[in-house]
Amino acid sequence: DAKTTQPPSMDCAEGRAANLPCNHSTISGNEYVYWYRQIHSQGPQYIIHGLKNNETNEMASLIITEDRKSSTLILPHATLRDTAVYYCIVRVGFYNAGKSTFGDGTTLTVKP
Amino acid sequence: DGGITQSPKYLFRKEGQNVTLSCEQNLNHDAMYWYRQDPGQGLRLIYYSQIVNDFQKGDIAEGYSVSREKKESFPLTVTSAQKNPTAFYLCASSADREKTSGRGYEQYFGPGTRLTVT
Repeated sequence: DAKTTQPPSMDCAEGRAANLPCNHSTISGNEYVYWYRQIHSQGPQYIIHGLKNNETNEMASLIITEDRKSSTLILPHATLRDTAVYYCIVRVGFYNAGKSTFGDGTTLTVKP
Repeated sequence: DGGITQSPKYLFRKEGQNVTLSCEQNLNHDAMYWYRQDPGQGLRLIYYSQIVNDFQKGDIAEGYSVSREKKESFPLTVTSAQKNPTAFYLCASSADREKTSGRGYEQYFGPGTRLTVT
């Protein structure tokens, strides 16, 4: 599975959009991009995933570049409760369960 | 409510003792996973199982053992052979959506067990 690169930390003002980038330049055509977040001392929470089209749900939007080498998770109106570590991972699917890895992620701090 | 439960939340053991961490899910998920997380770091995969009575080693399986006798349960034993067992342990599960929709799938995580060995 492709590896991902994320900035170690980012700040965002409360109420503003938080845009979290992820680089996955070695992604293959059948690999999905997943985003999770982990609030301190809790288990990670699934946010969103996509293959090549942009995706939106009640939590966030996922923008994947046309060449699929990078993506951006957008939290449209960040709140203090969005302060967490955000992980971007890629994986093919069920039968490659052991090949996706969670790196160190991006620590997003939302400030009042 | 459907979900994943891990117990206990905090666990303390003396060095040299084996300890078993519990993970149960009622989501009818096929796959289950164990991860280890050290302070300030990401998750590292210990073991995973995609079907009952079968499991695979992850990146850091040494010193750990698992069993998958039932679909809903995937206990992890931290043995005395694990050199640095103190850590936050996370269990997760996922469905095999490819059988139905062909789409990707997501993992659902439990609340974790914080193990301290002294």
